[in-house]
Amino acid sequence: DAGVIQSPRHEVTEMGQEVTLRCKLISGHNSLFWYRQTMMRGLELLIYFNNNVPIDDSGMPEDRFSAKMPNASFSTLKIQPSEPRDSAVYFCASSRRGLNTGELFFGEGSRLTVL
Amino acid sequence: GENVEQHPSTLSVQEGDSAVIKCTYSDSASNYFPWYKQELGKRPQLIIDIRSNVGEKKDQRIAVTLNKTAKHFSLHITETQPEDSAVYFCAASKGGDYKLSFGAGTTVTVRA
Repeated sequence: DAGVIQSPRHEVTEMGQEVTLRCKLISGHNSLFWYRQTMMRGLELLIYFNNNVPIDDSGMPEDRFSAKMPNASFSTLKIQPSEPRDSAVYFCASSRRGLNTGELFFGEGSRLTVL
Repeated sequence: GENVEQHPSTLSVQEGDSAVIKCTYSDSASNYFPWYKQELGKRPQLIIDIRSNVGEKKDQRIAVTLNKTAKHFSLHITETQPEDSAVYFCAASKGGDYKLSFGAGTTVTVRA
């Protein structure tokens, strides 16, 4: 398996533009997590899904952020409109709930810069 | 929710010496405590984890200890090597939904 795949790896955009980050889970995994990493705030959990259903979105900063899981293997995180303070590395991670392990498998991350 | 505090934020050690990172957690219901290593520009990866039914776990040069009463756990790296230089994150969860709360991270630098 290729692991968790994220795209794009790097995104530079201007304030006010829409940004869509994509994530493909590891085959057989059924839990999906979106994290944001910054120097100031570390790794923050934005939202997570179990079996395509959003379980906890309390970490989503505000209404400008939305996440979807249209099928069992794919998720998107959308920011509209984007702001400079959204600049960060966004990680997607997956796990297989039900195994006797809580290991998260992270993607390579999407580095977002909003000018 | 769970609050995980991690110390120190930076740690510099001489190659061959030991490194110790400490974390505390707030929710006594937490029962799963993993440690992730993130090399510069890379993704976090699990290096070791411990569950609340054991007090210590070792894997070659790394070990983790857990004190449930005091609600703290520690990572010990012995005989440090340059490739141990990275950011280390502790985390805690109640299991089940596997929602992890991460500490702020410790940047470890191993001096040759």
